[in-house]
Amino acid sequence: QKEVEQDPGPLSVPEGAIVSLNCTYSNSAFQYFMWYRQYSRKGPELLMYTYSSGNKEDGRFTAQVDKSSKYISLFIRDSQPSDSATYLCATLYNQGGKLIFGQGTELSVKP
Amino acid sequence: DTAVSQTPKYLVTQMGNDKSIKCEQNLGHDTMYWYKQDSKKFLKIMFSYNNKELIINETVPNRFSPKSPDKAHLNLHINSLELGDSAVYFCASSPRQGAAEKLFFGSGTQLSVL
Repeated sequence: QKEVEQDPGPLSVPEGAIVSLNCTYSNSAFQYFMWYRQYSRKGPELLMYTYSSGNKEDGRFTAQVDKSSKYISLFIRDSQPSDSATYLCATLYNQGGKLIFGQGTELSVKP
Repeated sequence: DTAVSQTPKYLVTQMGNDKSIKCEQNLGHDTMYWYKQDSKKFLKIMFSYNNKELIINETVPNRFSPKSPDKAHLNLHINSLELGDSAVYFCASSPRQGAAEKLFFGSGTQLSVL
């Protein structure tokens, strides 16, 4: 079992839709949870990070962590074609700096 | 101004050759990393250095040797390249060792071993 599981998709939605991206993780010791966005042929860029359980909102993006079920989510409201990318969830394994990534979900937002 | 830059962007080479990838960051960060992304987009850490000191070595074959001449540079040398080494290699940096949640990635080096 991978430490972080993510459905690779692809996921295709019409412009303006609400997108829900999800990951599960296996180790209850994980405390930091991140979402990265990766455009084609580019490096991942940090979208949001949260510490422990709860919600965090930034514009059209909301990150949600439920530690009781080991479930992390990213919601995108009013999705735009420019949101088309691969979205990677990640967790931080202790303070040593080892990020563990999910496989990434490929999202396509159609105009 | 590119924050984390790596060269070359593309690398095509024959099996058995030795090659290097260079990385530089101008963010003033203390910690640098090498990640490998396979064809299924799975991103996995290989090494991390903090102020030129090796911190993480994630059971990578010893054909891979990172070198950090100073905290702004982390190069990756690969000996005796194999077909399975084909992947995209990303350099990254973070402000300090304990701030890995704030990784900044370079744009990647696409390595193809023929």
